[in-house]
Amino acid sequence: DTGVSQDPRHKITKRGQNVTFRCDPISEHNRLYWYRQTLGQGPEFLTYFQNEAQLEKSRLLSDRFSAERPKGSFSTLEIQRTEQGDSAMYLCASQQGNQPQHFGDGTRLSIL
Amino acid sequence: QKEVEQNSGPLSVPEGAIASLNCTYSDRGSQSFFWYRQYSGKSPELIMFIYSNGDKEDGRFTAQLNKASQYVSLLIRDSQPSDSATYLCAVNSRGQNFVFGPGTRLSVLP
Repeated sequence: DTGVSQDPRHKITKRGQNVTFRCDPISEHNRLYWYRQTLGQGPEFLTYFQNEAQLEKSRLLSDRFSAERPKGSFSTLEIQRTEQGDSAMYLCASQQGNQPQHFGDGTRLSIL
Repeated sequence: QKEVEQNSGPLSVPEGAIASLNCTYSDRGSQSFFWYRQYSGKSPELIMFIYSNGDKEDGRFTAQLNKASQYVSLLIRDSQPSDSATYLCAVNSRGQNFVFGPGTRLSVLP
Protein backbone atom coordinates (compact mmCIF):
# COMPACT_ATOMS: atom_id res chain seq x y z
CA ASP A 1 0.00 0.00 0.00
CA THR A 2 1.59 3.26 -1.08
CA GLY A 3 -1.02 5.64 0.33
CA VAL A 4 -0.75 7.97 3.32
CA SER A 5 -0.63 5.99 6.55
CA GLN A 6 -1.64 7.27 9.98
CA ASP A 7 -1.20 5.64 13.35
CA PRO A 8 -3.05 5.05 15.57
CA ARG A 9 -6.52 5.01 14.02
CA HIS A 10 -8.15 5.71 17.36
CA LYS A 11 -6.82 7.17 20.60
CA ILE A 12 -8.74 7.48 23.84
CA THR A 13 -7.04 9.28 26.68
CA LYS A 14 -7.76 11.16 29.85
CA ARG A 15 -7.70 14.93 29.99
CA GLY A 16 -4.25 16.24 30.82
CA GLN A 17 -2.35 13.40 29.17
CA ASN A 18 0.03 13.85 26.24
CA VAL A 19 -0.63 12.11 22.92
CA THR A 20 1.48 11.63 19.81
CA PHE A 21 0.30 10.72 16.34
CA ARG A 22 2.35 9.53 13.40
CA CYS A 23 1.93 10.09 9.68
CA ASP A 24 3.80 8.34 6.88
CA PRO A 25 3.26 10.20 3.60
CA ILE A 26 3.39 8.84 0.07
CA SER A 27 7.12 8.30 -0.41
CA GLU A 28 7.82 10.77 -3.22
CA HIS A 29 5.70 13.57 -1.75
CA ASN A 30 7.69 16.46 -0.33
CA ARG A 31 4.84 18.31 1.37
CA LEU A 32 3.01 17.05 4.42
CA TYR A 33 0.00 18.68 6.06
CA TRP A 34 -1.81 18.22 9.36
CA TYR A 35 -5.49 19.10 9.76
CA ARG A 36 -8.07 18.82 12.51
CA GLN A 37 -11.70 18.10 11.71
CA THR A 38 -14.72 18.17 13.98
CA LEU A 39 -18.23 16.98 13.20
CA GLY A 40 -19.98 19.03 10.53
CA GLN A 41 -16.90 21.10 9.70
CA GLY A 42 -14.32 20.97 6.96
CA PRO A 43 -10.69 20.14 7.75
CA GLU A 44 -8.99 22.95 9.64
CA PHE A 45 -5.37 23.59 8.73
CA LEU A 46 -2.85 23.10 11.55
CA THR A 47 0.60 23.07 9.97
CA TYR A 48 2.59 21.95 6.96
CA PHE A 49 6.10 20.85 6.04
CA GLN A 50 8.09 21.00 2.87
CA ASN A 51 10.66 18.26 3.32
CA GLU A 52 11.86 18.70 6.92
CA ALA A 53 11.09 22.42 7.15
CA GLN A 54 7.91 23.50 8.93
CA LEU A 55 6.77 26.34 6.67
CA GLU A 56 3.52 27.42 8.23
CA LYS A 57 1.64 26.96 11.47
CA SER A 58 -1.92 28.06 12.08
CA ARG A 59 -2.33 31.00 14.44
CA LEU A 60 -5.19 29.04 15.97
CA LEU A 61 -2.76 26.39 17.13
CA SER A 62 -1.90 26.66 20.81
CA ASP A 63 1.60 26.04 22.11
CA ARG A 64 0.41 22.66 23.40
CA PHE A 65 0.63 21.42 19.83
CA SER A 66 3.93 20.61 18.17
CA ALA A 67 4.82 18.82 14.98
CA GLU A 68 8.05 17.47 13.58
CA ARG A 69 9.29 15.91 10.38
CA PRO A 70 12.89 15.23 11.28
CA LYS A 71 14.14 13.53 8.12
CA GLY A 72 11.63 14.85 5.66
CA SER A 73 9.78 11.55 5.64
CA PHE A 74 7.33 10.65 8.42
CA SER A 75 5.88 13.29 10.74
CA THR A 76 4.62 13.32 14.30
CA LEU A 77 2.01 15.57 15.89
CA GLU A 78 2.11 15.87 19.67
CA ILE A 79 -0.57 17.38 21.87
CA GLN A 80 0.46 18.10 25.43
CA ARG A 81 -1.91 18.41 28.40
CA THR A 82 -4.92 17.41 26.32
CA GLU A 83 -8.24 19.19 26.83
CA GLN A 84 -11.83 18.19 26.03
CA GLY A 85 -11.81 20.54 23.06
CA ASP A 86 -8.97 18.58 21.47
CA SER A 87 -11.37 15.73 20.67
CA ALA A 88 -11.45 15.56 16.88
CA MET A 89 -10.25 13.67 13.84
CA TYR A 90 -6.64 14.51 13.04
CA LEU A 91 -5.92 14.16 9.36
CA CYS A 92 -2.59 14.01 7.57
CA ALA A 93 -2.21 14.68 3.86
CA SER A 94 0.75 14.67 1.51
CA GLN A 95 1.39 16.37 -1.79
CA GLN A 96 4.00 16.63 -4.52
CA GLY A 97 4.43 19.87 -6.44
CA ASN A 98 1.12 21.35 -7.54
CA GLN A 99 -0.67 18.03 -7.52
CA PRO A 100 -3.67 17.44 -5.24
CA GLN A 101 -3.30 16.39 -1.64
CA HIS A 102 -3.97 12.82 -0.66
CA PHE A 103 -5.30 12.08 2.79
CA GLY A 104 -4.64 9.31 5.26
CA ASP A 105 -7.46 7.62 7.14
CA GLY A 106 -7.00 9.93 10.12
CA THR A 107 -6.58 9.46 13.85
CA ARG A 108 -9.70 9.92 15.93
CA LEU A 109 -8.89 11.38 19.34
CA SER A 110 -11.34 11.13 22.22
CA ILE A 111 -10.63 12.91 25.49
CA LEU A 112 -12.39 11.50 28.54
CA GLN B 1 -8.52 35.83 6.43
CA LYS B 2 -8.94 33.52 3.46
CA GLU B 3 -12.38 31.99 3.35
CA VAL B 4 -14.12 29.28 1.41
CA GLU B 5 -17.89 29.12 1.65
CA GLN B 6 -20.33 26.38 0.80
CA ASN B 7 -23.99 25.82 1.46
CA SER B 8 -24.05 23.24 4.26
CA GLY B 9 -27.17 21.57 2.93
CA PRO B 10 -28.46 18.98 3.07
CA LEU B 11 -29.01 19.02 -0.66
CA SER B 12 -31.48 16.32 -1.62
CA VAL B 13 -31.87 15.12 -5.21
CA PRO B 14 -33.68 12.11 -6.67
CA GLU B 15 -31.68 9.25 -8.13
CA GLY B 16 -30.71 9.96 -11.74
CA ALA B 17 -30.91 13.74 -11.38
CA ILE B 18 -28.10 16.27 -11.62
CA ALA B 19 -26.66 17.48 -8.31
CA SER B 20 -25.12 20.94 -8.35
CA LEU B 21 -22.69 21.91 -5.58
CA ASN B 22 -21.34 25.43 -5.25
CA CYS B 23 -18.34 27.06 -3.61
CA THR B 24 -17.11 30.64 -3.36
CA TYR B 25 -13.71 31.81 -2.17
CA SER B 26 -12.32 35.12 -0.98
CA ASP B 27 -8.65 35.03 -2.06
CA ARG B 28 -8.28 36.34 -5.62
CA GLY B 29 -4.76 34.88 -5.71
CA SER B 30 -6.08 31.33 -5.46
CA GLN B 31 -4.76 29.13 -8.21
CA SER B 32 -5.86 25.56 -7.58
CA PHE B 33 -9.31 24.25 -6.76
CA PHE B 34 -10.27 20.82 -5.52
CA TRP B 35 -13.38 18.83 -4.77
CA TYR B 36 -13.23 16.06 -2.18
CA ARG B 37 -15.92 13.59 -1.18
CA GLN B 38 -16.13 12.49 2.43
CA TYR B 39 -18.28 9.67 3.72
CA SER B 40 -19.27 9.75 7.35
CA GLY B 41 -16.38 8.69 9.58
CA LYS B 42 -13.96 8.49 6.66
CA SER B 43 -11.22 10.78 5.36
CA PRO B 44 -11.65 13.06 2.33
CA GLU B 45 -11.22 11.44 -1.06
CA LEU B 46 -10.19 13.51 -4.10
CA ILE B 47 -12.79 13.67 -6.87
CA MET B 48 -11.56 16.42 -9.15
CA PHE B 49 -9.24 19.37 -9.40
CA ILE B 50 -9.26 22.34 -11.75
CA TYR B 51 -6.76 25.11 -12.38
CA SER B 52 -8.15 27.04 -15.38
CA ASN B 53 -11.37 28.88 -16.06
CA GLY B 54 -14.03 26.78 -17.72
CA ASP B 55 -15.25 23.23 -17.38
CA LYS B 56 -13.42 20.01 -16.67
CA GLU B 57 -15.23 16.71 -17.06
CA ASP B 58 -14.40 13.31 -15.62
CA GLY B 59 -17.05 10.65 -16.03
CA ARG B 60 -20.23 11.76 -14.27
CA PHE B 61 -18.46 14.71 -12.64
CA THR B 62 -17.90 18.20 -14.07
CA ALA B 63 -16.01 20.94 -12.29
CA GLN B 64 -16.63 24.54 -13.34
CA LEU B 65 -14.36 27.45 -12.46
CA ASN B 66 -14.98 31.17 -12.84
CA LYS B 67 -12.07 33.11 -11.34
CA ALA B 68 -13.62 36.50 -12.08
CA SER B 69 -16.61 35.59 -9.93
CA GLN B 70 -14.46 33.60 -7.48
CA TYR B 71 -16.76 30.66 -7.90
CA VAL B 72 -16.24 26.95 -8.43
CA SER B 73 -18.91 24.30 -8.78
CA LEU B 74 -19.26 20.55 -9.08
CA LEU B 75 -21.98 18.89 -11.12
CA ILE B 76 -22.79 15.24 -10.61
CA ARG B 77 -24.82 13.73 -13.43
CA ASP B 78 -27.02 10.65 -13.05
CA SER B 79 -26.74 10.88 -9.26
CA GLN B 80 -26.63 7.57 -7.41
CA PRO B 81 -27.43 6.77 -3.77
CA SER B 82 -23.72 5.95 -3.37
CA ASP B 83 -22.97 9.61 -4.12
CA SER B 84 -24.59 10.55 -0.81
CA ALA B 85 -21.77 12.12 1.17
CA THR B 86 -20.32 15.46 2.20
CA TYR B 87 -18.54 17.31 -0.59
CA LEU B 88 -15.66 19.55 0.41
CA CYS B 89 -14.32 22.41 -1.69
CA ALA B 90 -10.62 23.27 -1.16
CA VAL B 91 -8.64 26.20 -2.50
CA ASN B 92 -4.88 26.65 -2.68
CA SER B 93 -2.48 29.41 -3.63
CA ARG B 94 1.03 28.51 -4.77
CA GLY B 95 3.28 27.81 -1.83
CA GLN B 96 0.53 28.28 0.70
CA ASN B 97 -1.70 26.01 2.66
CA PHE B 98 -5.04 24.63 1.54
CA VAL B 99 -8.26 26.20 2.80
CA PHE B 100 -11.32 23.98 3.02
CA GLY B 101 -14.96 24.95 3.05
CA PRO B 102 -17.35 23.48 5.62
CA GLY B 103 -18.74 21.00 3.09
CA THR B 104 -22.15 20.40 1.54
CA ARG B 105 -24.05 17.30 2.58
CA LEU B 106 -25.64 15.61 -0.43
CA SER B 107 -28.42 13.08 -0.14
CA VAL B 108 -29.47 11.12 -3.25
CA LEU B 109 -32.89 9.60 -2.75
CA PRO B 110 -33.67 6.22 -4.38
